[in-house]
Amino acid sequence: EDQVTQSPEALRLQEGESSSLNCSYTVSGLRGLFWYRQDPGKGPEFLFTLYSAGEEKEKERLKATLTKKESFLHITAPKPEDSATYLCAVQADTGNQFYFGTGTSLTVIP
Amino acid sequence: DSGVTQTPKHLITATGQRVTLRCSPRSGDLSVYWYQQSLDQGLQFLIQYYNGEERAKGNILERFSAQQFPDLHSELNLSSLELGDSALYFCASSAPGGRNEQFFGPGTRLTVL
Repeated sequence: EDQVTQSPEALRLQEGESSSLNCSYTVSGLRGLFWYRQDPGKGPEFLFTLYSAGEEKEKERLKATLTKKESFLHITAPKPEDSATYLCAVQADTGNQFYFGTGTSLTVIP
Repeated sequence: DSGVTQTPKHLITATGQRVTLRCSPRSGDLSVYWYQQSLDQGLQFLIQYYNGEERAKGNILERFSAQQFPDLHSELNLSSLELGDSALYFCASSAPGGRNEQFFGPGTRLTVL
């Protein structure tokens, strides 16, 4: 069964304390892996797309990496404004369906 | 602001009723996706339309239906509503070309009493 699991469920960091969020997936064939940021009561905001193992993408303090079974979202020297829920999603090769994880809720304390 | 608009923002209705949620994609986007987000289940993919045609189907209930019109706006119809249908409903759109990077609207919060 195709699925996406994110860990940890919640993460509290001090400002400046770097860490990583994990997204592991099982899908029959991966068309793409997507990272989104979601603020409370708002729609998810697109961050990155990764297509193949070994690929990396960076944007400001965020860096996403992909292996054959998981993806990491590395957050370097986070700031309070990085506090949000980070969602991972995969698109399967067959059927074009999208599967979202339940997210990691990140809180960065000043 | 993603450029995707959804109406209404909030909807309160009773069990057994029928409602229609509306979505306008970003200019130039041909794909529209519908998602349901509830507290206990996260974001669930319902259905995707591409230029008026159904492209992919997720866990969409038979009581729910959607369509995409020639002007590319989309509507999600929910009927015989149950308490468990209370959730945030998001629409997203993506550009043609296969990259499938989705841009989400602000959502419609549906409350079924």
